Amino acid sequence: GQQLNQSPQSMFIQEGEDVSMNCTSSSIFNTWLWYKQDPGEGPVLLIALYKAGELTSNGRLTAQFGITRKDSFLNISASIPSDVGIYFCAGQNYGGSQGNLIFGKGTKLSVKP
Amino acid sequence: DSGVTQTPKHLITATGQRVTLRCSPRSGDLSVYWYQQSLDQGLQFLIQYYNGEERAKGNILERFSAQQFPDLHSELNLSSLELGDSALYFCASSPRTSVNTGELFFGEGSRLTVL
Repeated sequence: GQQLNQSPQSMFIQEGEDVSMNCTSSSIFNTWLWYKQDPGEGPVLLIALYKAGELTSNGRLTAQFGITRKDSFLNISASIPSDVGIYFCAGQNYGGSQGNLIFGKGTKLSVKP
Repeated sequence: DSGVTQTPKHLITATGQRVTLRCSPRSGDLSVYWYQQSLDQGLQFLIQYYNGEERAKGNILERFSAQQFPDLHSELNLSSLELGDSALYFCASSPRTSVNTGELFFGEGSRLTVL
């Protein structure tokens, strides 16, 4: 089945630093999404990308839908302590129900004040 | 607060037992999804219901079953539990208007520990 390779698995950074994480797949997706899971909570949608090459921002977050449709990256600028959590990428194809979201295994972000 | 309610938050049980996890979707959402999150497997899709009907099935074991009731709440039944079933089980819902957008609203999860 389809699998997403998300990297890095974990990051430990200093407050104020920029963060970059990415997700790759062996097959194409029509939609790429990035979710964040705070400790003790369920994942929350951060950014959704629907077009190859699309670059979308949400505050300090920027995500891109790769041209090949097989990858996506998420950047966080000027990290703050509340950025701590697990970031998941997810891919989806048209025609599938949202139950066919394929999630990466997550990038665990720790921020040192 | 996503508006999705899951109970119980924590559950400890023994191998061989059966448990039921409950989910109330956001008001007005017709779709309910169940995901399993374990440390080494990330978020695994189990099953989706739409307005009471099964819509999609993922990596759900035969020992597991689910249903969605007329009031749209859903239950996930896990039977003949094994140690490896210990995980966080998430329920998510989505509005009709977000079909195919990938936007899911997750509950806080039910943590199942099988001893």
